[in-house]
Amino acid sequence: DTGVSQNPRHKITKRGQNVTFRCDPISEHNRLYWYRQTLGQGPEFLTYFQNEAQLEKSRLLSDRFSAERPKGSFSTLEIQRTEQGDSAMYLCASRRDAGLDTEAFFGQGTRLTVV
Amino acid sequence: AQSVTQLGSHVSVSEGALVLLRCNYSSSVPPYLFWYVQYPNQGLQLLLKYTTGATLVKGINGFEAEFKKSETSFHLTKPSAHMSDAAEYFCAVTRGNTGGFKTIFGAGTRLFVKA
Repeated sequence: DTGVSQNPRHKITKRGQNVTFRCDPISEHNRLYWYRQTLGQGPEFLTYFQNEAQLEKSRLLSDRFSAERPKGSFSTLEIQRTEQGDSAMYLCASRRDAGLDTEAFFGQGTRLTVV
Repeated sequence: AQSVTQLGSHVSVSEGALVLLRCNYSSSVPPYLFWYVQYPNQGLQLLLKYTTGATLVKGINGFEAEFKKSETSFHLTKPSAHMSDAAEYFCAVTRGNTGGFKTIFGAGTRLFVKA
């Protein structure tokens, strides 16, 4: 068990560019979640997958955001036409498909800075 | 709907003093509650969790929390603060199956420890 891995750790991009982040969950964790965390705030839910199915998207996830988990393993989060307001830490988490008492395990996050 | 409120965005204590971080939740069903810690530019690490059973739960690094249903609270304490405890702390609740087992976070409390 190597934990949840996110790449890259840091990304600086110019406004208007597209960016893609990758998350590798803990193996055999069926559920994968994406969160966004801005400075001084708690993580806010964006979307989640159960295996390869994307089951819920937050209203925070505008049309410029898209997430995939094609084979039910790793996931990607793409932001098109980035805006300065997209600057944040993007966190990925995974958990077993079990009861409420199993916690989510978080990756180190990808910090996005849009200039 | 479930939500989490953390009282005090910043708490400052002296090294060796008691740490008390407050958390209240709202939930229409029995909650499963968590405390996570986040160090600068890092992901979230689970400190402790309450699921069922004993209402006083012990976690890592000497932290503990008590679930008080009558007060809808889950405050985090540590008898003696250490400089290494300086970090951001998040109280969280997990939503049930209809909510995809999502973790909902409070806004966080930043703990400062003075020498």
